[in-house]
Amino acid sequence: EPEVTQTPSHQVTQMGQEVILRCVPISNHLYFYWYRQILGQKVEFLVSFYNNEISEKSEIFDDQFSVERPDGSNFTLKIRSTKLEDSAMYFCASSQQGFGTDTQYFGPGTRLTVL
Amino acid sequence: GNSVTQMEGPVTLSEEAFLTINCTYTATGYPSLFWYVQYPGEGLQLLLKATKADDKGSNKGFEATYRKETTSFHLEKGSVQVSDSAVYFCALSDGDYGGSQGNLIFGKGTKLSVKP
Repeated sequence: EPEVTQTPSHQVTQMGQEVILRCVPISNHLYFYWYRQILGQKVEFLVSFYNNEISEKSEIFDDQFSVERPDGSNFTLKIRSTKLEDSAMYFCASSQQGFGTDTQYFGPGTRLTVL
Repeated sequence: GNSVTQMEGPVTLSEEAFLTINCTYTATGYPSLFWYVQYPGEGLQLLLKATKADDKGSNKGFEATYRKETTSFHLEKGSVQVSDSAVYFCALSDGDYGGSQGNLIFGKGTKLSVKP
């Protein structure tokens, strides 16, 4: 069964450093998302992406964040200058149609630890 | 704005007990409703969903009915197993009518532990 993959599974970085989290969505999906989950808290929407453009972003997704689809398979989340409060599990998701009724398939997540 | 409220956990049950996890929502329009499950050390997996009022989603013995009159989507299972131990998230998406790309709004999650 096709699945969303994410690398790395765990990333440790120093405050102020740039990190890039990578995701490979399901191959025939066109809509992509990033969510994050701070330890012990709810899963929060960060950004949605379609046709090489951001569709929507939350208040969390400030100028320190960016997303990109550099090729036909990868979808990346970049944090330019990490802060302690960016420590969280980051989930990538993809869906085929992007409608509200459509199922989003999640990757296993990348645990980001900012020291 | 749209929101989801779940019962606080953790919930501890014995094997074969009946499970209910309450979920209520606030939304404009006609959201779709989802239950996702997160097993220890893993990502989020869709458990079931319902896309319109009175729809019942079901999977692996779990059920939830979309109740518009009470704005609820409670998760139930008649007989839980140890393997059901996980965190359960209720979520909604208003992508069809809200102008957004079906972004999910999650509840805080309910941790379920099932003892043998």
